Amino acid sequence: GEDVEQSLFLSVREGDSSVINCTYTDSSSTYLYWYKQEPGAGLQLLTYIFSNMDMKQDQRLTVLLNKKDKHLSLRIADTQTGDSAIYFCAESKGTGKLIFGQGTTLQVKP
Amino acid sequence: DADVTQTPRNRITKTGKRIMLECSQTKGHDRMYWYRQDPGLGLRLIYYSFDVKDINKGEISDGYSVSRQAQAKFSLSLESAIPNQTALYFCATSDRYAGPDTQYFGPGTRLTVL
Repeated sequence: GEDVEQSLFLSVREGDSSVINCTYTDSSSTYLYWYKQEPGAGLQLLTYIFSNMDMKQDQRLTVLLNKKDKHLSLRIADTQTGDSAIYFCAESKGTGKLIFGQGTTLQVKP
Repeated sequence: DADVTQTPRNRITKTGKRIMLECSQTKGHDRMYWYRQDPGLGLRLIYYSFDVKDINKGEISDGYSVSRQAQAKFSLSLESAIPNQTALYFCATSDRYAGPDTQYFGPGTRLTVL
């Protein structure tokens, strides 16, 4: 079956690194995504990674993919208060449908 | 994303009422989706449409119906609203010709059923 799991809450201090984790069950996943939802807004794509990649870096964001363990992580360097949001992991098999995790609420304390 | 708009943004209604939520997009995408978001449950797919004549049920379609009036418009209806349909509803779009299945979301409609 298809299932994506995330922890619900993470709290960090401003300036620290944040690591948000996600596990998935479908080994045939083609793409894996990270979306950000700010309060009162819709989901915004942060980044995605192809299943044949191990890592992708984009400025302060680093995505790591461990296909053997079906584990995806998002690292945010130098976390700022503006990074406070809900972060969703999602997977797809290239069929046009996404399966989302429950979302991780990131709280950044000054 | 201003390219995907949803109306209304907020709605309070009573049990048993018929409600329609509307979604419009200017992205020129062929695929459109409706999700609901509940705290701790993430986003769950209600219906999706890959083309004007191609409409499919998602994982939680019971109690909902949809209409794809044009490529740019996809409406979600609650025929007889019930309190457990209180949630945040999102419309999304994607382009079948883009490599990844990246979806672009509207701002959401907060629906409260009393």
